[in-house]
Amino acid sequence: DQQVKQNSPSLSVQEGRISILNCDYTNSMFDYFLWYKKYPAEGPTFLISISSIKDKNEDGRFTVFLNKSAKHLSLHIVPSQPGDSAVYFCAASDPTGANNLFFGTGTRLTVIP
Amino acid sequence: DAMVIQNPRYQVTQFGKPVTLSCSQTLNHNVMYWYQQKSSQAPKLLFHYYDKDFNNEADTPDNFQSRRPNTSFCFLDIRSPGLGDAAMYLCATSRGGTGKGYGYTFGSGTRLTVV
Repeated sequence: DQQVKQNSPSLSVQEGRISILNCDYTNSMFDYFLWYKKYPAEGPTFLISISSIKDKNEDGRFTVFLNKSAKHLSLHIVPSQPGDSAVYFCAASDPTGANNLFFGTGTRLTVIP
Repeated sequence: DAMVIQNPRYQVTQFGKPVTLSCSQTLNHNVMYWYQQKSSQAPKLLFHYYDKDFNNEADTPDNFQSRRPNTSFCFLDIRSPGLGDAAMYLCATSRGGTGKGYGYTFGSGTRLTVV
């Protein structure tokens, strides 16, 4: 049973425009939400996270928004750059001490120059 | 640079022949994880070690085993690989309870092919 869902397998955006990647989850007990970026032949790298007690976290061009009532989060990339082209995974952390993460299936972002 | 290293990057094994994948870390993180990722699917947690405590996911097949001889190393053993075990295997580390929100540090993965 997939607890974290990314319903868009791919997204194409023009360079300089905004990229919006979406993620939905089912478990209201998740306490942290994270975004990872993955290039081909590499492991995922941590991008940005948000605590469940917040609704927004910003880091440079990357902003994550959390809507707890809708169990939905989104990653905004502004402005998008060709180097942002990668697969983006949404993940959620369970509240136990082991920090287990549940991942979505990923969204492949292509930024067109 | 502190990092998570997986060896080998690519592994080809014969159907039914035991294979071991390795992971090492220089981050001194107390939790180490093994994930299996098949094409277009979410990474699936197989098991993790919190220090020396082994935690197996309920749906991880018995064919998969793990060892953590010390803080730095963790191994994934597949006793009798089947064609369905061909996947990318990702090792990751974290600081555990105090590291929430910082996420994992992943290795580059080992792509396993079963022939």
